[in-house]
Amino acid sequence: KQEVTQIPAALSVPEGENLVLNCSFTDSAIYNLQWFRQDPGKGLTSLLLIQSSQREQTSGRLNASLDKSSGRSTLYIAASQPGDSATYLCAVRPQTSGSRLTFGEGTQLTVNP
Amino acid sequence: SQTIHQWPATLVQPVGSPLSLECTVEGTSNPNLYWYRQAAGRGLQLLFYSVGIGQISSEVPQNLSASRPQDRQFILSSKKLLLSDSGFYLCAWSQGLATDTQYFGPGTRLTVL
Repeated sequence: KQEVTQIPAALSVPEGENLVLNCSFTDSAIYNLQWFRQDPGKGLTSLLLIQSSQREQTSGRLNASLDKSSGRSTLYIAASQPGDSATYLCAVRPQTSGSRLTFGEGTQLTVNP
Repeated sequence: SQTIHQWPATLVQPVGSPLSLECTVEGTSNPNLYWYRQAAGRGLQLLFYSVGIGQISSEVPQNLSASRPQDRQFILSSKKLLLSDSGFYLCAWSQGLATDTQYFGPGTRLTVL
């Protein structure tokens, strides 16, 4: 059974700092890995999708990497801003489960002005 | 462009009452549709998914059911709510390919008293 773990569970940083969020998964047989952002009481917003054949994806100040063989992904946020404060979730799409996603429990990020 | 709607946004229901949550998608055809639940302090749990009209797969045994009466409509129901049904319910869609991004709706906050 695929399990997804995110470390740390919570993170508080000063504005302007570069930071890394970690995600690990137990079964490397995946189609892709997706990073989401969730603001309090809101739905999920897709940030980046990395296919299993890719090593990284970039969007603005965000860069996500994937090391499928070791079961790890990182989300790098450059020059963090208070508006980045949210919970960040990673999810994998296992090859054995069709189109269903398995989620981690998220990292709650607070960027202090 | 595609949009996904959920209603109601919030709901407070007594134990034993029925439930009907609705999700609709615009701007696409034959999407895969998903219902997730996010309970306090827990990650997202996939409840149901559907690859077409009338086709529903259940991920976990529970007090809930799902139906897809139309191509872009997905309904989550219960005949008698339990306290444990409280949570944040999210609907999502994808284009149907295993490599595609999942897009989430704004969610419904359900409180069972």
